[in-house]
Amino acid sequence: QVQLQESGPGLVKPSQTLSLTCTVSGGSISSGSYYWSWIRQPAGKGLEWIGRIYTSGSTNYNPSLKSRVTISVDTSKNQFSLKLSSVTAADTAVYYCARGIRSGSYGDWGQGTLVTVSS
Amino acid sequence: QSVLTQPPSVSAAPGQKVTISCSGSSSNIGNNYVSWYQQLPGTAPKLLIYDNNKRPSGIPDRFSGSKSGTSATLGITGLQTGDEADYYCGTWDSSLSARVFGGGTKLTVL
Repeated sequence: QVQLQESGPGLVKPSQTLSLTCTVSGGSISSGSYYWSWIRQPAGKGLEWIGRIYTSGSTNYNPSLKSRVTISVDTSKNQFSLKLSSVTAADTAVYYCARGIRSGSYGDWGQGTLVTVSS
Repeated sequence: QSVLTQPPSVSAAPGQKVTISCSGSSSNIGNNYVSWYQQLPGTAPKLLIYDNNKRPSGIPDRFSGSKSGTSATLGITGLQTGDEADYYCGTWDSSLSARVFGGGTKLTVL
């Protein structure tokens, strides 16, 4: 059973770049027809899809965040990462990494990590 | 405003049945698979239904999914207090080229 674990700073200053890493264990990030995604959830609100990456390197991003988001993959470390630039308080949320199948569902999720944007 | 529309809340008594609707358009639900997630307080979402009506291993058959046109429905029978959670639908939106989720529905088992 694959497991995902988010890591990164829990506090980021406004205007800086939020950086998170998702470490995949229990399976190779390169195997199978999966894509690797980031999803966030502000406190008390719903899920917001940030974007996804295939191990080929191709990406899709939420249009509302596209200008600020970069998702990358490091197959040698079995990790994928999120960078979100020019953050504001509105980017404060629990950030989840997840594994998706081609038809679109997410069967495996990390536990989530809270990132607060504050000076 | 979410691209997919869900009722904010539903409620039913233990043992009863409840349905949760998810309404979209031809660019999302109408032409793509729908999945459903259960989120218990303080935990990550859990996949309940994928490809409109399939259940992952370990999900009881009390949970069912269906799709018709540009709407999808999650059904839960034999309600238990442990089913109290937030439920989300999700699908791909071909116009946005992005994954979209409903706003979530809070289920209360009275």
